[in-house]
Amino acid sequence: AQSVSQHNHHVILSEAASLELGCNYSYGGTVNLFWYVQYPGQHLQLLLKYFSGDPLVKGIKGFEAEFIKSKFSFNLRKPSVQWSDTAEYFCAVNVPNTDKLIFGTGTRLQVFP
Amino acid sequence: DAGVIQSPRHEVTEMGQEVTLRCKPISGHNSLFWYRQTMMRGLELLIYFNNNVPIDDSGMPEDRFSAKMPNASFSTLKIQPSEPRDSAVYFCASSFGQKETQYFGPGTRLLVL
Repeated sequence: AQSVSQHNHHVILSEAASLELGCNYSYGGTVNLFWYVQYPGQHLQLLLKYFSGDPLVKGIKGFEAEFIKSKFSFNLRKPSVQWSDTAEYFCAVNVPNTDKLIFGTGTRLQVFP
Repeated sequence: DAGVIQSPRHEVTEMGQEVTLRCKPISGHNSLFWYRQTMMRGLELLIYFNNNVPIDDSGMPEDRFSAKMPNASFSTLKIQPSEPRDSAVYFCASSFGQKETQYFGPGTRLLVL
């Protein structure tokens, strides 16, 4: 069965630090990949997605992610975090031939001023 | 666009009572998803519909849970009878087309006492 692993469960950073959140998936075929963000008390919002083409994907708020097929990874990065980036971040993969998304367990990011 | 609308936003009920959660997807979207989010299990897909037809309900916990989508603009998730372990945030999401971005509603925070 497909799965998504997010190894960092809780990350604490100071403002201006660089961020990289890991995401690995288990399926070997063509996949669509997503990063969603959930700000405290709010619903999930799309940060960025990869369907095909350039493996370096840029999203909102300065986030980017790189799809590395050989490593089954889709890590999320931001060069300089802000306090307002405090949130939970979810990686997700689309199950081929379905509309289903499989979500990782999430990474909670806390940014201190 | 109003986005995905869910009601109620909060529900507190006693064990054994029936609970009905409602969702209005984004107009024009043809796929609708119900998720449950808990601290222990993260974000789980319960069921999803495509063109009002249930496609995959393998995530529905047990017979106490049922979902319907009588038309393209409305869906319900019912729990009868409710139990304390059903306490969670229930999200509805919708998308247009297969594998496309899912847009999440604000969620219903359910507490079963």
